[in-house]
Amino acid sequence: DAGITQSPRHKVTETGTPVTLRCHQTENHRYMYWYRQDPGHGLRLIHYSYGVKDTDKGEVSDGYSVSRSKTEDFLLTLESATSSQTSVYFCAISDGTGYTEAFFGQGTRLTVV
Amino acid sequence: AQSVTQPDIHITVSEGASLELRCNYSYGATPYLFWYVQSPGQGLQLLLKYFSGDTLVQGIKGFEAEFKRSQSSFNLRKPSVHWSDAAEYFCAVRNYGGSQGNLIFGKGTKLSVKP
Repeated sequence: DAGITQSPRHKVTETGTPVTLRCHQTENHRYMYWYRQDPGHGLRLIHYSYGVKDTDKGEVSDGYSVSRSKTEDFLLTLESATSSQTSVYFCAISDGTGYTEAFFGQGTRLTVV
Repeated sequence: AQSVTQPDIHITVSEGASLELRCNYSYGATPYLFWYVQSPGQGLQLLLKYFSGDTLVQGIKGFEAEFKRSQSSFNLRKPSVHWSDAAEYFCAVRNYGGSQGNLIFGKGTKLSVKP
């Protein structure tokens, strides 16, 4: 299995509080991604990174920010959590070439109450 | 924009029966296509992938998929389903827009297996 660790695995937080999710990889892959998974929507890209300090927005980036200060770590921050951000969040990594798949972490289940 | 459609939200098959999960994509050139499986509470595991060459690709756990350019399809098949195959299955295509390199996913098909 690809070395991807997401933390925490589960979190319950209150509306309006900041939340940070962490993704740590040991594969030295260039690309890292944050997706959210919701029933009926599949997986949707939030933000991605194509190198240290290089990040960009995905399909559903509003209300989220990211940072990547080291190759191995990619942080997703909800500045002020809302109930609509209750979801399962997945981190994925890829070496970025066209011939390889993405490898996924185990997910973080976030509940905003 | 690229997209992936999985027409079936939920499929139920009997154990031992054959299975086909449908996937249609939209992309002008030859796409890079993937099937992933997700067991409850787990992450996504790659079943198989197609980049070029033989249009019938073999994957893990006895799954195969056939790329049909004329139908823009990449259907997943298994000749005999086991109870452990109950899971959600996602078809995906690589995004060639910009520098993202991410995968674009269908909404998934949930497979239930009857004993």
